[in-house]
Amino acid sequence: GAVVSQHPSRVICKSGTSVKIECRSLDFQATTMFWYRQFPKQSLMLMATSNEGSKATYEQGVEKDKFLINHASLTLSTLTVTSAHPEDSSFYICSASDRSKATGELFFGEGSRLTVL
Amino acid sequence: GESVGLHLPTLSVQEGDNSIINCAYSNSASDYFIWYKQESGKGPQFIIDIRSNMDKRQGQRVTVLLNKTVKHLSLQIAATQPGDSAVYFCAENQADRGSTLGRLYFGRGTQLTVWP
Repeated sequence: GAVVSQHPSRVICKSGTSVKIECRSLDFQATTMFWYRQFPKQSLMLMATSNEGSKATYEQGVEKDKFLINHASLTLSTLTVTSAHPEDSSFYICSASDRSKATGELFFGEGSRLTVL
Repeated sequence: GESVGLHLPTLSVQEGDNSIINCAYSNSASDYFIWYKQESGKGPQFIIDIRSNMDKRQGQRVTVLLNKTVKHLSLQIAATQPGDSAVYFCAENQADRGSTLGRLYFGRGTQLTVWP
């Protein structure tokens, strides 16, 4: 089946620094990717829709200047957490839809765990 | 049994028993629903989906039931195995938000524990 890869799987950074997380579709093209965050013992919360070649669409309450999303190609979206603080520590997960399939089957990455010290 | 508290609801069953995990969704305009399984430290894994024009769909050992009248979704797992232990989430695609398929809103999740 299709694979979505995230990198890094784990990252630890100091407060005030920026961290970039990559989401790649390995064997299909994805016009649209989605970013979620998940706190421990909680559900996934949709943050934004990443659109190839255009600006991301953010969910209500998500700061677009805090969470920068770039979707430069049909196989790569990046999420940059800017000026990270301990409260940004979370599990960030992306998903992607195979644009070649009418059903738009979704595939999730394995997630990236961010710890801000 | 099943319990709901400040943390994830939990369901404990014995190996071989059937499991039923429930989910209430919020938006009557939602047109597509998916059940996911998430193991610790991993991304969600697709289990089964159902569209709003159906009320039941079966897969291998799993059945999803949709009751649009009360906005309720359930996942039934037959002959539950220890490997089924995980957190299970329902997710809805809310059509009235003009959403592209993939903009999913996840339910709270249920921690399933299977005892040998």
